[in-house]
Amino acid sequence: AQTVTQSQPEMSVQEAETVTLSCTYDTSESDYYLFWYKQPPSRQMILVIRQEAYKQQNATENRFSVNFQKAAKSFSLKISDSQLGDAAMYFCASKPGNQFYFGTGTSLTVIP
Amino acid sequence: EAQVTQNPRYLITVTGKKLTVTCSQNMNHEYMSWYRQDPGLGLRQIYYSMNVEVTDKGDVPEGYKVSRKEKRNFPLILESPSPNQTSLYFCASSLWQGVGHEQFFGPGTRLTVL
Repeated sequence: AQTVTQSQPEMSVQEAETVTLSCTYDTSESDYYLFWYKQPPSRQMILVIRQEAYKQQNATENRFSVNFQKAAKSFSLKISDSQLGDAAMYFCASKPGNQFYFGTGTSLTVIP
Repeated sequence: EAQVTQNPRYLITVTGKKLTVTCSQNMNHEYMSWYRQDPGLGLRQIYYSMNVEVTDKGDVPEGYKVSRKEKRNFPLILESPSPNQTSLYFCASSLWQGVGHEQFFGPGTRLTVL
């Protein structure tokens, strides 16, 4: 079975500081995609960043970056210069074939 | 505006009363999918479709049906809803090729089955 594990149900960070959210996944596929989605209180799912497994370079989108460790099957999200608007639930997801698999989420609180 | 729409946004119903949640996208996406979101469980895929007339089960298909007669529409059908289907439902769509398979999500449908 394909699984995505987020071991931190809740995290908090001081405004302007950096926080890292953890994610591990399990797949036997050699080619797959990884994603981080943000879900604010509005419940809308918003793509934060994606990574193709065949690319060794870590993806970056402005203040968001990932640490992709393929051998360890780890895909952590780093948020730099945290802002109040970053407060949300964050979901890690994988797509090893035709299906998407999501983790259980990490609720991020940003402290002013 | 490129978007995925779902209707209704909120629905309260009773056990056994058939219902349909509609989903439509205007981006000409091949891939469409339904998820349910429950506290502590994240999002779980119910059904997905890779193109017209092609559907397949996700991880939690029991109690649900889908159809894909047109590329833009992918309705979710609950023939006989039960209280354990009370959940937040999301429809999503994506291209099948290219752009990293990014999914675009609808706004969600909050379903309560009494």
